[in-house]
Amino acid sequence: QLQLQESGPGLVRPSETLSLTCSVSGGPIGDYYWGWIRQPPGKGLEWIGYIYRSGTTNHSPSLKSRLTLSVDTSKNQFSLSLAAVTAADTAVYYCARTVASYQYIDVWGKGTTVLVSS
Amino acid sequence: SSELTQDPAVSAALGQTVRITCQGDSLRTYYASWYQQKPGQAPVLVIYGPNKRPSGIPDRFSGSSSGNTASLTIAGAQAEDEADYYCHSRDISGNHAIFGGGTKLTVL
Repeated sequence: QLQLQESGPGLVRPSETLSLTCSVSGGPIGDYYWGWIRQPPGKGLEWIGYIYRSGTTNHSPSLKSRLTLSVDTSKNQFSLSLAAVTAADTAVYYCARTVASYQYIDVWGKGTTVLVSS
Repeated sequence: SSELTQDPAVSAALGQTVRITCQGDSLRTYYASWYQQKPGQAPVLVIYGPNKRPSGIPDRFSGSSSGNTASLTIAGAQAEDEADYYCHSRDISGNHAIFGGGTKLTVL
């Protein structure tokens, strides 16, 4: 059974870069889209973006200027980098697998909490 | 503001059928998927595509679509169905994904 696990610092200073990695176990990074969703405290889900194994990406327009997504198929990992963070970037960050047909998310990580604070 | 609009809250009596809706112009073209999220947990897929249920999701969950509205119906809501529900699809441009604002279901 495929599992996803997020890793990264739980605290990031304002104006710095948030970096998270998602490790994929139980299967290869295959013909899917690998992405990120976040959820600020007490709020709804926000789609961040995803990356295909070839490196092709799709980002939320609101985050595109600060966002970098990457994938390392040899390590079965994909990563997120969000620059110039502010308190508004404080959230639970989920990594997830999107199935190309019908564009639905069938596997989610447990989520990791990131606090942006000085 | 979200381009997929959901009612913030819905309530249903135990055993009652409840419908949760998601409105957006992109839904005339793209299917919505639906996710259940309980407090402190990651979302779980309950419906995708043309009314498809993942393995393990009870058959009381069903999906439908008409015009610009996608619906998630729970036939005979159970106490364990109390959760937040989110729809997910494409934005109006069709180029990016987006979530609805979520609906909190209370089972009385």
